[in-house]
Amino acid sequence: GAVVSQHPSRVICKSGTSVKIECRSLDFQATTMFWYRQFPKQSLMLMATSNEGSKATYEQGVEKDKFLINHASLTLSTLTVTSAHPEDSSFYICSARAGLAGGEVETQYFGPGTRLLVL
Amino acid sequence: KQEVTQIPAALSVPEGENLVLNCSFTDSAIYNLQWFRQDPGKGLTSLLLIQSSQREQTSGRLNASLDKSSGRSTLYIAASQPGDSATYLCAVRPRGYQKVTFGTGTKLQVIP
Repeated sequence: GAVVSQHPSRVICKSGTSVKIECRSLDFQATTMFWYRQFPKQSLMLMATSNEGSKATYEQGVEKDKFLINHASLTLSTLTVTSAHPEDSSFYICSARAGLAGGEVETQYFGPGTRLLVL
Repeated sequence: KQEVTQIPAALSVPEGENLVLNCSFTDSAIYNLQWFRQDPGKGLTSLLLIQSSQREQTSGRLNASLDKSSGRSTLYIAASQPGDSATYLCAVRPRGYQKVTFGTGTKLQVIP
């Protein structure tokens, strides 16, 4: 099946620094990528949807200036947490949606996640 | 607004038992429904995807059913094993929209 990678898998940073998380679709072109956040013992909450070459669409309550999303190519999207604070500590998961091809079912593939800890 | 609920929130069973996990959704106008497992501290592993036109999907010991009219899906696990211990999430993708809504999850523990 299709593979989505994330880098880094784990990051620890000091409060006030910025952290960039990369999401790559390894063997398919993803016209749409999604970023989710998961707090401990909670389900995934969608943060934003990004389409290649256009601005991301953020969910209500998600600060677009704090969580910068760039979808520069069909295989790469980045999430930058700017001026991170301890409350931003969470598990961030990206997802990529493959386009339809000859009758294939459009499926959403998930990355392994990035655990962010802000001290 | 689509709401997805999973019951029970946690389940503990002895090895070898057959079990059923439930997923309920409020808006039946869906495109598809997907079941995932998540191991502690890990990402999601897709288990089964059911299109809105389908009633069930099977993969090995797993069988997922979909009843759109009642807004329900079940994940049946046969002959459970300790390796099945994980959190199981269902996710509903609505028709016409891109946003997938995840359920609250069921944490399964299979005791050897």
